[in-house]
Amino acid sequence: AQSVTQPDIHITVSEGASLELRCNYSYGATPYLFWYVQSPGQGLQLLLKYFSGDTLVQGIKGFEAEFKRSQSSFNLRKPSVHWSDAAEYFCAVAYSGYSTLTFGKGTMLLVSP
Amino acid sequence: DGGITQSPKYLFRKEGQNVTLSCEQNLNHDAMYWYRQDPGQGLRLIYYSQIVNDFQKGDIAEGYSVSREKKESFPLTVTSAQKNPTAFYLCASSIGPGEQETQYFGPGTRLLVL
Repeated sequence: AQSVTQPDIHITVSEGASLELRCNYSYGATPYLFWYVQSPGQGLQLLLKYFSGDTLVQGIKGFEAEFKRSQSSFNLRKPSVHWSDAAEYFCAVAYSGYSTLTFGKGTMLLVSP
Repeated sequence: DGGITQSPKYLFRKEGQNVTLSCEQNLNHDAMYWYRQDPGQGLRLIYYSQIVNDFQKGDIAEGYSVSREKKESFPLTVTSAQKNPTAFYLCASSIGPGEQETQYFGPGTRLLVL
């Protein structure tokens, strides 16, 4: 069965520090990978997605993610975190032939002054 | 402004009562989805529809029902058979049903049981 693991339930980062959120997916051919962000009580907003090609993808709000097939990972990064980045982040995966997304359980990002 | 609207923002249900959550989109998308979100559980798929008059069960369909009579509308009914309905419900849509299609989300409805 498709699965996505986000190992960190909570992460606290100082404002201005770098950020990396981890995501691992279950092995499968041709994964389609997504990162979404959710502010409290709101819907989800797409940050970036990977389908093929360059394994380093750029997204909105200064985020980027790197696909590493050998590690089944798709980690999200940002070089300098802003207080407005505090939110919950979800990694999701879809596979060729399946039209639905499988989400991880999310990582809550807290930003300290 | 194109987007997805969900109403109401908060909904209260009494024991044994059915309630219906609304989801409307004006993006001209073919596919629509309903997710349930519980704290620490991520999003779980309830039902999805790839085209009008057709829908499929997701991972947790028991106690829920849907209809897709119009392209822009995909209402979700939480029936009395759903014993633990308190959750945040999110509707999404995508241009088509393919795995490459980005899903766009509405603002959600929080359902509470009285």
